[in-house]
Amino acid sequence: QSVLTQPPSASGTPGQRVTISCSGSSSNIGSNPVNWYQQLPGTAPKLLIYSNNQRPSGVPDRFSGSKSGTSASLAISGLQSEDEADYYCAAWDDSRMGVFGGGTKLTVL
Amino acid sequence: QLQLQESGPGLVKPSETLSLTCTVSGGSISSTTYYWGWIRQPPGKGLEWIGSIYYSGGTYFNPSLKSRLTISVDTSKNQFSLNLSSVTAADTAVYYCVRQRFDWYPPLNWFDPWGQGTLVTVSS
Repeated sequence: QSVLTQPPSASGTPGQRVTISCSGSSSNIGSNPVNWYQQLPGTAPKLLIYSNNQRPSGVPDRFSGSKSGTSASLAISGLQSEDEADYYCAAWDDSRMGVFGGGTKLTVL
Repeated sequence: QLQLQESGPGLVKPSETLSLTCTVSGGSISSTTYYWGWIRQPPGKGLEWIGSIYYSGGTYFNPSLKSRLTISVDTSKNQFSLNLSSVTAADTAVYYCVRQRFDWYPPLNWFDPWGQGTLVTVSS
């Protein structure tokens, strides 16, 4: 059972906008920034969004993040086939540990 | 460009100790800006943070693993290591080493980059 809650799956057609939610508590998302990781099939996860809404160099601006209270969201606009991957939210918890969501498998139909 | 590479046995017997090393290249493990961490992923499942260490030896551990866990750093070799004792089949996973940007004020915490990962299977 993951500390952060994500939907297990999401889907969309090419060009669509999809969002993935991440729910936590006051001790993690409520008081610390949220990060998102993309894991393409058979590869290591890659940092996609950090500090709620910042994109590392090289990440397309089709990807955006937001946070409100104890929840966060990842939005992908202009969905492309290469976006098919697992997406994980993560945050630090005030109990001094890192916590992850269970992951969302995104399918591009 | 910073790179991390995990190394260690791919097969460990139940009740024994899992030992992995992460070699950092393209940057110094003695950087005051970063921690260095371990994350694992059981086959077909999600990510679990194991623990992190600062170059001076300060650590944070996942409470669920703390009693079995040792993480150490060797700045002379630009490496850090993971030891997990008394392993069971539940410890079978791909183990990733990561660089962790971390601070309390303002709060910062992310993992980047990641090593390619190494599969460790616990089986007799």
